[in-house]
Amino acid sequence: NAGVTQTPKFRVLKTGQSMTLLCAQDMNHEYMYWYRQDPGMGLRLIHYSVGEGTTAKGEVPDGYNVSRLKKQNFLLGLESAAPSQTSVYFCASSYSGGLAKADTQYFGPGTRLTVL
Amino acid sequence: LAKTTQPISMDSYEGQEVNITCSHNNIATNDYITWYQQFPSQGPRFIIQGYKTKVTNEVASLFIPADRKSSTLSLPRVSLSDTAVYYCLVVGYNFNKFYFGSGTKLNVKP
Repeated sequence: NAGVTQTPKFRVLKTGQSMTLLCAQDMNHEYMYWYRQDPGMGLRLIHYSVGEGTTAKGEVPDGYNVSRLKKQNFLLGLESAAPSQTSVYFCASSYSGGLAKADTQYFGPGTRLTVL
Repeated sequence: LAKTTQPISMDSYEGQEVNITCSHNNIATNDYITWYQQFPSQGPRFIIQGYKTKVTNEVASLFIPADRKSSTLSLPRVSLSDTAVYYCLVVGYNFNKFYFGSGTKLNVKP
């Protein structure tokens, strides 16, 4: 049981380049999330998904797109990277997202992205 | 947005009990209070969650007063390995409430 995994672990991009970050979970969780964390700051929710084929915007969605074609995978795309997107990106998943009781999120190890 | 307020940092010594208080004045009836721990270069890890009064598990206790406008995470007898950032979250049905904030950086000294 690997939990939540993220690919790649590190990446350097030039301004204007595109890339996709992959998140995979093997816990059969319905809910998945993408966060970014900037130095000295907390995590900010970019996008989330409440199930296969569905996505929704979080707190800071601009400049990012996501897709959830398979239940176990959640992709985060940057179409035209900007230096302001330099950050550490964390993916998380949870069983239900909080219906009768708020749910625990399980986090991946993070992807460190630098945009020059 | 159900924001939370925590101290930016705290210092402690090994073996002491540490209490970190979080303010969440606009908590809603159905919201739960959740605490996460984050070590450098790692994703956050769930510590404890509660709705009211007191919750205790093998690593921490969570105290929530009757008005639920604040909560206190208590770490008994901390060690150097407890040095981390601790986040208080108010979590409910509305995903807008997944707000991590800046957290409290706990520094445990020998």
